[in-house]
Formats: sequence, structure tokens, C-alpha cells
Amino acid sequence: EAQVTQNPRYLITVTGKKLTVTCSQNMNHEYMSWYRQDPGLGLRQIYYSMNVEVTDKGDVPEGYKVSRKEKRNFPLILESPSPNQTSLYFCASSLRHEGYEQYFGPGTRLTVT
Amino acid sequence: AQKITQTQPGMFVQEKEAVTLDCTYDTSDQSYGLFWYKQPSSGEMIFLIYQGSYDEQNATEGRYSLNFQKARKSANLVISASQLGDSAMYFCAMREVVEFSGGYNKLIFGAGTRLAVHP
Repeated sequence: EAQVTQNPRYLITVTGKKLTVTCSQNMNHEYMSWYRQDPGLGLRQIYYSMNVEVTDKGDVPEGYKVSRKEKRNFPLILESPSPNQTSLYFCASSLRHEGYEQYFGPGTRLTVT
Repeated sequence: AQKITQTQPGMFVQEKEAVTLDCTYDTSDQSYGLFWYKQPSSGEMIFLIYQGSYDEQNATEGRYSLNFQKARKSANLVISASQLGDSAMYFCAMREVVEFSGGYNKLIFGAGTRLAVHP
């Protein structure tokens, strides 16, 4: 089954404790991205990746890091989480030059206290 | 800069009736795409429908249709014969082509409209 998986689905942590949210896709997609969803703001892009070792900032990159060492994986790293990073996070993937649809993961609900 | 506006924070509709969710967009690009996604209470994002800027006919997918009015820059979602399972948050989004490493499609989202279907 074609899918994007994220782990964990729910996470409660404390300020300053480093965490990683994993994202993996099994569709051989070149393009992957991370979004955060906040009430009244919709989804906003954090980082994206065109392919292995090719990443760039989206609209709200502050406080986040990413890496793309393998095509299927695109982890989101919060080195020192803060309460304003409490949000619902989505990973998405798509073909780069063909089609248009982005496939979303199930979401990760993060709470930073 | 591209922008998506959804002016209805919440809507309700009676079961079996049709409902229109509004979406207006702002772009200077000639080529763009418009999407609607559904987000039920479980949280996942479900792709509903897509309309390309050069598509002459309005997109339809089952009970969903997209009322595309290019001159007015609107892309309203019409759900016919509403069902209780249609209760969810609905997001309008626009594809922005970003010229980086060959180009890719980035999605710009609106704030969303929460739809409640009443029996």
C-alpha cells in the first residue's frame, strides 16, 4: 500500500529536550516536505527536500532542522523545542515533475510544555 | 505573494442538502493549480479535488465539484447531497511553482472552513 508514515503520532515533551519526528514514504517520491498546522493559519511549510541531500527552508523554518540521507526518509528535528512549537505536524511527499498531488502522512501532534 | 482566503470559519448544512465552501486566491502566475483537502476529526489530510488554471471545465469528483471562476479568482467547493461523514475541516490550497533545483510544486493553504452536517 502506497503511504507516508510518521512517528510518533503523539508526543508530549518539555522545553529544550531534543526530539525527532520520523517520516517515511514507500512511493519512491523525490519531493518531501514538512508542514505545521495551527488554528486559523492552515498549514504552513517548514522545510522541503527535492531529493537526497537537497533541502531548503520553507516559510517557517526557525527552530527546525531536517536531513535527507535516504530517498524514503525525511526526519524533522527540533534541537531545543519551545512551547510555540506545539502544533500538528504533517509530512508530505510527491513526484517532482509529474502529477500534482501531495500524499500526506497521518500527522504528529506535538505538545511542548 | 500567493495567498488563499477562506472567509467562512464555520458552516453548517442539513443532511442531503448541498453546501458551498468559499475560496478566493491571489496570484500573478498564469499557470497554477487549486486543491481542496478534507481533514476529519481524526486529523489526516484527504485529497478531494484539483483544478488546473488552464482547465476549461470545472473539476468534479463524485459528490464534489469545484466552481472555478478564473476572472473572480475564486475556487469554491460544492458538496452535493451532504452526508454526516462530510463533517470535517476543509482546506483550499494553491500550487505555487518554486524555481529551485528544477522546480517543484509547493502548496499554499487557506485557514480552513469547519463544516458541520446536521441530521
